[in-house]
Amino acid sequence: SSELTQDPAVSVALGQTVRITCQGDSLRTYYASWYQQKPGQAPILVIYAKDKRPSGIPDRFSGSSSGNTASLTVTGAQAEDEAEYHCNSRDSSGNYLVFGGGTKLTVL
Amino acid sequence: QLQLQESGPGLVKPSETLSLTCTVSGGSTIGSSYYWAWIRQPPGKGLEWIGSIHYTGSTYYNPSLKSRVTISVDTSKNQFSLRLSSVTAADTAVYYCARRIVVTATNNYFDIWGQGTLVTVSS
Repeated sequence: SSELTQDPAVSVALGQTVRITCQGDSLRTYYASWYQQKPGQAPILVIYAKDKRPSGIPDRFSGSSSGNTASLTVTGAQAEDEAEYHCNSRDSSGNYLVFGGGTKLTVL
Repeated sequence: QLQLQESGPGLVKPSETLSLTCTVSGGSTIGSSYYWAWIRQPPGKGLEWIGSIHYTGSTYYNPSLKSRVTISVDTSKNQFSLRLSSVTAADTAVYYCARRIVVTATNNYFDIWGQGTLVTVSS
């Protein structure tokens, strides 16, 4: 079992806003990073250091964190945002890395 | 532009050792802020961190796999490698190599990933 918990699936209407969450005790101490993965492709980094976007990631992707929960928000979801989203951080001991189970985002 | 490429057998027999290599191009494995990692994804499942290595040779392994995993780095070839012993069907997965940037203890992330390689464990 993962020390980071994500909802398995979330859906959003085209152009609307959706929040994907990641819960875990370690998130009170360590930043989460978020990865987008489309079928048959490798994950790509979309958010790091809680709310930073790598170059090339659209600004409709944003990150936040409060307490034991990190969130990835997609504002004005597009069809191309349909993908699996994975959160990653350290475990509660701080010694190892863990991923959440992933959230499948469907854009309706 | 840094790129990572996994290579190795796509089929491994049960009880044998899985061996993969990741070649780093467009950059160097040497860097104090970088760790080089292996991550896997069984078919239809989530991502699992296997372990990481620093160019100095320091390693960190997933406790659930530690007894079977060895990660090494060859800075002269700009490569790092994974060996997973005594494999079973449960080790069938897409294996990714990735670079982890460690800014601080609380701020670190995987910024670059290889394309992944499917390894099937079957007789």
